[in-house]
Amino acid sequence: KQEVTQIPAALSVPEGENLVLNCSFTDSAIYNLQWFRQDPGKGLTSLLLIQSSQREQTSGRLNASLDKSSGRSTLYIAASQPGDSATYLCAVNQAGTALIFGKGTTLSVSS
Amino acid sequence: EPEVTQTPSHQVTQMGQEVILRCVPISNHLYFYWYRQILGQKVEFLVSFYNNEISEKSEIFDDQFSVERPDGSNFTLKIRSTKLEDSAMYFCASSDRTGRYNYGYTFGSGTRLTVV
Repeated sequence: KQEVTQIPAALSVPEGENLVLNCSFTDSAIYNLQWFRQDPGKGLTSLLLIQSSQREQTSGRLNASLDKSSGRSTLYIAASQPGDSATYLCAVNQAGTALIFGKGTTLSVSS
Repeated sequence: EPEVTQTPSHQVTQMGQEVILRCVPISNHLYFYWYRQILGQKVEFLVSFYNNEISEKSEIFDDQFSVERPDGSNFTLKIRSTKLEDSAMYFCASSDRTGRYNYGYTFGSGTRLTVV
């Protein structure tokens, strides 16, 4: 059964720092992996989607990488800003199942 | 950018009452989903729906739950007799493809259901 784990559970950084959020999954037979942002009490906003054949995707200050064989993905945020404060969720999509989510990393960026 | 719209944003109901949560998926999407998130816990899959029938459901989605696409635009989740443990944020999502050809899910902003 697929399990998705995100480390750390919470992270506090000062504004301007570069940071990395980690996601690991136990079954490497995935179609794709999607990173979401969730603000407190709000919905899920898609940030990046990486197909299993890809190694990375970039959008602005965000870069997501995927190492399918080792079951890992990272989300790199460059030059963090207070507006980046949110919970970041990783989810995998594989055959015969719907999206399976990790519990998320809650990021706090102080000014 | 196309959105998935959910109503209401917040609903309070008494235990044992029926509730219907409503969603309008993106118009050209064919696959529809319900997820829920109990406070402080992971987002969990409930059910997927395609071609007017359930294509997959989790063990959470028992006989108390049902889904329907009553017309060409709405997608609803009904809970027949709510329990306290049904209190959660319920998310609707849609996608235009599934499986290896899925290019991402779009989620709505959620309905916070509080059962008292």
